[in-house]
Order: sequence, then structure tokens, then C-alpha cells
Amino acid sequence: GAVVSQHPSRVICKSGTSVKIECRSLDFQATTMFWYRQFPKKSLMLMATSNEGSKATYEQGVEKDKFLINHASLTLSTLTVTSAHPEDSSFYICSAPINDLNSPLHFGNGTRLTVT
Amino acid sequence: QKEVEQNSGPLSVPEGAIASLNCTYSDRVSQSFFWYRQYSGKSPELIMSIYSNGDKEDGRFTAQLNKASQYVSLLIRDSQPSDSATYLCAVTMDSNYQLIWGAGTKLIIKP
Repeated sequence: GAVVSQHPSRVICKSGTSVKIECRSLDFQATTMFWYRQFPKKSLMLMATSNEGSKATYEQGVEKDKFLINHASLTLSTLTVTSAHPEDSSFYICSAPINDLNSPLHFGNGTRLTVT
Repeated sequence: QKEVEQNSGPLSVPEGAIASLNCTYSDRVSQSFFWYRQYSGKSPELIMSIYSNGDKEDGRFTAQLNKASQYVSLLIRDSQPSDSATYLCAVTMDSNYQLIWGAGTKLIIKP
């Protein structure tokens, strides 16, 4: 079945540094990928929709200059958390629909980011 | 505002019994309905998808959709302790297939 690979699974960084998270579709092409954020015991919050070859669409309240998204190919989207702060510590998860936007999402394994 | 509502739980069910999880949604034109299971510290995994009224069965899982009443449910038969997780309901709304998530129901299966 379709697999979405996300790396790294865990990262600890110091305040002020940047962290890049990669999301790859391994056996299908993903023109659209979604980036979610999840705080403990809370539901998924959509941060942005990543579109191959064009600018990402950010949800209201998400700073595009802080959360840089690049979707340069049909199999790779990256999320860079710039100038990280402790409040950015969270569980970040990417996902992609297996077919069209009406189809189920397949999720990466998530990245646990801790900013010290 | 487009919403998907779930009881947060926890819902406690004895092992071997049927667990029933419910979800209501606000948008009458919703087209696709999904149930995901999420273990603590892990990402969600798809359990069931349903697109038309009625029941859809897959092993111990049955999804039930009633568009007239705007609810979708998930039944888990012969519940096992490994079924203990948070179950997320997700619904696509409007012509842009915007996916709206419920807050999830925590299910605990007691041995």
C-alpha cells in the first residue's frame, strides 16, 4: 500500500535554530500534501496545504515566514520551522491523499519537535 | 461554521463487547467520511472510509452513514485491548474537499 515517509521522527533543537522536516511519498505521486500540528491530547490542526510546483496555502493564524514549506517534486514536501521557540514544540505530521482530494489520507509517522 | 462533533470520552468497553463510536457533522453536502485510529504518540491510521448511506463492514469494523441525520458511526465488534486508542472522525466538506476533523473519542477496552 501507499506509504508516506517522514523524517526525522524526533528532533531536539535550541531556541533560535531552524529545523527541517521531510515528507516523501514512496510509491505514489503526491501533488498535494497536508501539514498538521498536534498538541498533547488535542486533535489535528491543519497548518498548510503544500502544492507541488506552487506556493503553499496556509491556514489562518499560521505564519508562512516561520513555517516554510517547499514542494519541489511530486514525491517530496519539506516543512522548515525557522527561528524555533519553545512554544513551537509539538507533534508535526504530514499526509497525502492516495488519489484525489476525496480519497483517504495516508500519514507520515510524525515528527516530535522539542525546542529547548 | 463547518463542524464535526465527537464525544471526547473516555468510552470504556469490556473486552469482547461492541464499541460504538459516533460522529455528527454540520455540512449537508459532505461527500466523504473517514474513521482514523490514533495511538498515543503516533500518527493517525485509516480504519474505514464510507461514501454512501448504509453500512460498510471490514472485519470487526462497521461504519454506518446516515446523511439525512448527518451522522456517521463506527462499530467495533469483539473489542480487544489493542483497540484502545483515540478514534478520529473526518469529513470532507464543500466542493473543495476541505477535510474537517473531529476532536476524537478516547476508547478504553478493559480486559
